[in-house]
Amino acid sequence: GQNIDQPTEMTATEGAIVQINCTYQTSGFNGLFWYQQHAGEAPTFLSYNVLDGLEEKGRFSSFLSRSKGYSYLLLKELQMKDSASYLCAVTGSNYQLIWGAGTKLIIKP
Amino acid sequence: IAGITQAPTSQILAAGRRMTLRCTQDMRHNAMYWYRQDLGLGLRLIHYSNTAGTTGKGEVPDGYSVSRANTDDFPLTLASAVPSQTSVYFCASSGTAETDTQYFGPGTRLTVL
Repeated sequence: GQNIDQPTEMTATEGAIVQINCTYQTSGFNGLFWYQQHAGEAPTFLSYNVLDGLEEKGRFSSFLSRSKGYSYLLLKELQMKDSASYLCAVTGSNYQLIWGAGTKLIIKP
Repeated sequence: IAGITQAPTSQILAAGRRMTLRCTQDMRHNAMYWYRQDLGLGLRLIHYSNTAGTTGKGEVPDGYSVSRANTDDFPLTLASAVPSQTSVYFCASSGTAETDTQYFGPGTRLTVL
């Protein structure tokens, strides 16, 4: 079957670093997305990985290991505005996105 | 307009009524999607359209229908609403169906009583 797993909730401190993990099992793989979703709002695109390795974009980085079916999103220098849900999604063999349930990140002062 | 718009923002509907959720994009994207989002579950694909004139079924299509008469519009219709269709509905679009980033509309919060 197809499955994406993420932790339900994480808590971190303002100014710190947090890593949100995502593991997946899908039939076929064509890329992995991370989206951010603030409460009551639409998901917004953060990153896309198709090859193994780390993609860095400002305070946010995303890592992919295709052989392990594993990705993580790394958020540095956390700010209160980073409090949101982070969604992992994988493009399978039919190019439709399969979504994880999301990780709710709570930032404390 | 810029991006994707959805209407209405929210709606309370009596069970058994027919309802159409509207979605319009001005990015000339070929592919469009309808998702529902329920607490504790990931986004689930209802229907999609890879290009104008074509549609396909997603993971949870029962009770919903779509049409794609032109590039910009992708309405979602609930023929006879049931309480289990209470959800937040998001429309999204991407340049093509293959690996392009999907951009989301603001969502419609639907309550079926």
